[in-house]
Amino acid sequence: GENVEQHPSTLSVQEGDSAVIKCTYSDSASNYFPWYKQELGKGPQLIIDIRSNVGEKKDQRIAVTLNKTAKHFSLHITETQPEDSAVYFCAARGPQWAGTALIFGKGTTLSVSS
Amino acid sequence: DAGVTQSPTHLIKTRGQQVTLRCSPKSGHDTVSWYQQALGQGPQFIFQYYEEEERQRGNFPDRFSGHQFPNYSSELNVNALLLGDSALYLCASSPGTDTQYFGPGTRLTVL
Repeated sequence: GENVEQHPSTLSVQEGDSAVIKCTYSDSASNYFPWYKQELGKGPQLIIDIRSNVGEKKDQRIAVTLNKTAKHFSLHITETQPEDSAVYFCAARGPQWAGTALIFGKGTTLSVSS
Repeated sequence: DAGVTQSPTHLIKTRGQQVTLRCSPKSGHDTVSWYQQALGQGPQFIFQYYEEEERQRGNFPDRFSGHQFPNYSSELNVNALLLGDSALYLCASSPGTDTQYFGPGTRLTVL
C-alpha cells in the first residue's frame, strides 16, 4: 500500500523567513496531495492541495510543488509569521477507483519565533 | 455554514468497555471518513461511509465498526477497549470522493 514519508520532523525559523517541508510517496498511482495544518487541540485544517496533473499551486504565502517522476511534493511557506506555528501534515490519495483514504505523513512541527 | 462537528469532545473509559463517537458532516457532504490519531503521529484511516455503506476500510480490527444515517451523520463504535485505543478520533466529511474536511476530534482516554 501507499507510504508517505515526511521531513523534517521539527523546523524552527525566524519570523519573515521561508519554511519548506518535503514529503515522498511510494505509490505512483497516487494522484491527489493535500496539506493540513493542525493547531494544538484542534482538528487538521486543509491549507492547500494539488492534483497530479499540476506541477505547482500557490495561494498567497503558501505554495506546493509536485514532482511525479521523483514521487515527492513540498510545501513552501514564505514570510512566515508566529501564527504559522503548528504541526503540518502531508497526505496522499490513490486513484478514486481504489478508494479515497488519505495516507498521512508523521507531521512537521513548525515553530516561528518573532 | 457549520463545519464538521463531533461529540463528545473528551471521553474517559476503562479497558473492556464500549464507546460510541458521533459526527455530523458539513452541509452538502455525503461521505464520512474516520481516522485515529495517536499522540505525535499522523491520522490513520479507519473506514469511510457513503450511502449508509462502508465503502473502504483501513487496517483496523473488527472491534471498530461504524454506521451512517440517512442524514449522512455517522457513528464510530469501538468494542472491548484496549489501552492502545487511547487517541484523538477524527471525522472528515467530503462531497463524494473530493476533498476531506476534518472536525475537531474526540479525545478518547482508556484507563
